[in-house]
Amino acid sequence: SYVLTQPPSVSVAPGKTARITCGGNNLGSKSVNWYQQKPGHAPMLVIYYNGDRPSGIPERFSGSNSRNTATLTISRVEAGDEADYYCQVWDSTIDHHVVFGGGTKLTVL
Amino acid sequence: QITLKESGPTLVKPTQTLTLTCTFSGFSLSTSGVCVGWIRQPPGKALEWLALIYWNDDKRYSPSLKSRLTITKDTSRNQVVLTMTNVDPVDTATYYCAHAPEYPEAYFDSWGQGALVTVSS
Repeated sequence: SYVLTQPPSVSVAPGKTARITCGGNNLGSKSVNWYQQKPGHAPMLVIYYNGDRPSGIPERFSGSNSRNTATLTISRVEAGDEADYYCQVWDSTIDHHVVFGGGTKLTVL
Repeated sequence: QITLKESGPTLVKPTQTLTLTCTFSGFSLSTSGVCVGWIRQPPGKALEWLALIYWNDDKRYSPSLKSRLTITKDTSRNQVVLTMTNVDPVDTATYYCAHAPEYPEAYFDSWGQGALVTVSS
């Protein structure tokens, strides 16, 4: 089945830019969605269809997807952005189902 | 405003069948394109998708768990039910239900608070 690979952790200083990657075979041909999950809370959608933001999500959050890598970019990182981030796709290559990446812990230094 | 809430047992014995109910409001599962999914998360681990059910009763299951899962809907009661047979301690997790607004390429824009299920004798 389809596999999404994320780095276990990313660290960034406040005010800087964080980039969290998600890798998969020919990922650029799929739509990638991103979720933020803070400890003790349910995940929250922050990016869908590669780069669209749900209402209420700051413009500091953006997404891109090309070839084999999708990237969630968080600009002007704040302490409140510290969380786990998961990428997700719909895989229709063999079977039709949802796939999540393994998650990335974003630490704000 | 869309809300979802999971309910079910907090403790289940190994080999038993787990039944979880998702009760939702703010949308109808008879609306074209809408679906509800189940996702779980073992303590300290990543999200794992389990199943989806669409407005037209189309269903999708995780390939690795397909033989143990059944998802159904009761449109009149605004509920989706997930059953998992022959549970094992590795099935201990927080189980979430979530709303997905698009067909068929689901993404989850609203989530329930989650229900922690422990499998232990």
